[in-house]
Amino acid sequence: EAAVTQSPRNKVTVTGGNVTLSCRQTNSHNYMYWYRQDTGHGLRLIHYSYGAGNLQIGDVPDGYKATRTTQEDFFLLLELASPSQTSLYFCASSEGRFPAPLFGEGTRLSVL
Amino acid sequence: GEQVEQRPPHLSVREGDSAVITCTYTDPNSYYFFWYKQEPGASLQLLMKVFSSTEINEGQGFTVLLNKKDKRLSLNLTAAHPGDSAAYFCAVSSLGYQNFYFGKGTSLTVIP
Repeated sequence: EAAVTQSPRNKVTVTGGNVTLSCRQTNSHNYMYWYRQDTGHGLRLIHYSYGAGNLQIGDVPDGYKATRTTQEDFFLLLELASPSQTSLYFCASSEGRFPAPLFGEGTRLSVL
Repeated sequence: GEQVEQRPPHLSVREGDSAVITCTYTDPNSYYFFWYKQEPGASLQLLMKVFSSTEINEGQGFTVLLNKKDKRLSLNLTAAHPGDSAAYFCAVSSLGYQNFYFGKGTSLTVIP
């Protein structure tokens, strides 16, 4: 069964802290995405990738790094977390031919 | 870049009534269209994916209309029931381009 798994599901850190969010997909999809969801803004694309070692910048990349280590694994890194990065983060994957993003369960991050 | 406007942000209807959510987009090259449902505390579930070539698409209890001339996509829940209470998001992508643009969402409440 197609799946996108995110970890952790919840994370609390302090301002200036270091956070890594993980995402694994078992769908053999080429594309993977990181979004943040905030009330009043909907989903906004942070970074995406079309394969291992590839990284594309999304619409709201400031303060975020990402790395795609394998076809399955995509990580989002916050090296100096700020309260403005408190949000619900979703990872998604999609197939190139008829893309329909398949979403993970989300990670709720609080930066105090 | 693509701009997707979704209306209304909030919608409340009585059980059995219809509910219509509309998205307008700006890129004439938009080709793939999607509707997602997000229940409280949950991830986004794909309701329907639509090709540019198909103007009317029917699902279980809803219809999706695509008007390419007006660049408008709509989701019509024909007889809403309380289980339809959720947030709904449209998403748009263009042919050959692997980014997705989401509307800001509509929070639908169906009153028993």
